[in-house]
Amino acid sequence: EVQLVESGGGLVQPGGSLRLSCAVSGFSFSSYWMSWVRQTPGKGLEWVANIKQDGGDKFYVDSVKGRFTIFRDNAKNSLFLQMNSLRADDTAVYYCARLGTMDYFDFWGQGTLVTVSS
Amino acid sequence: DIQMTQSPSTLSASVGDRVTITCRASQTINSWLAWYQQKPGKAPNLLIYKASSLESGVPPRFSGSGSGTEFTLTISSLQPDDVATYFCQQYDSYSSLTFGGGTRVEIK
Repeated sequence: EVQLVESGGGLVQPGGSLRLSCAVSGFSFSSYWMSWVRQTPGKGLEWVANIKQDGGDKFYVDSVKGRFTIFRDNAKNSLFLQMNSLRADDTAVYYCARLGTMDYFDFWGQGTLVTVSS
Repeated sequence: DIQMTQSPSTLSASVGDRVTITCRASQTINSWLAWYQQKPGKAPNLLIYKASSLESGVPPRFSGSGSGTEFTLTISSLQPDDVATYFCQQYDSYSSLTFGGGTRVEIK
């Protein structure tokens, strides 16, 4: 059974940092592109970042470029999102998701809530 | 970036009704479109990919059509379990993926 389990969310002050983790099981993690997607009540679903199987290629939505870094540890079947210089509009539920044979999301985690507030 | 516009934002229909949701892309995306269902408090769930291919395990009352810039998701006979929000997503460019704003489906 494919499972993706996020952790690391919480309350952080504006300008602060947070690292999200996603533990994966049930499939060959190193064979798939992986992503982070976030969701807010006001803005709906927003793709945040993608990372290639070997970690060599990474892509980001413009609003997080230079602040967020996606990376992975294939030996530990884990995906990460390092978030720096956090802003109030980064407040969202963050999902870890697997990219299928093309660039749609075929499996999702349950999400972790990040709240940026003073 | 490619913008995705869904309509309507909310719809209310009776059990057994045929329901159609539309998604329009700001530029052509060929057939690189997926549809997701999201129930309250849960993660989205893939229904359709490549505009019309049904994901394994998804009931056949769900279908997708379209290409280019206009796409539809159809529920042939609405069931109580289908109450959810539905999102489209384009994947024409793997470096910039975008979602529609969502359509909330309710039972009348």
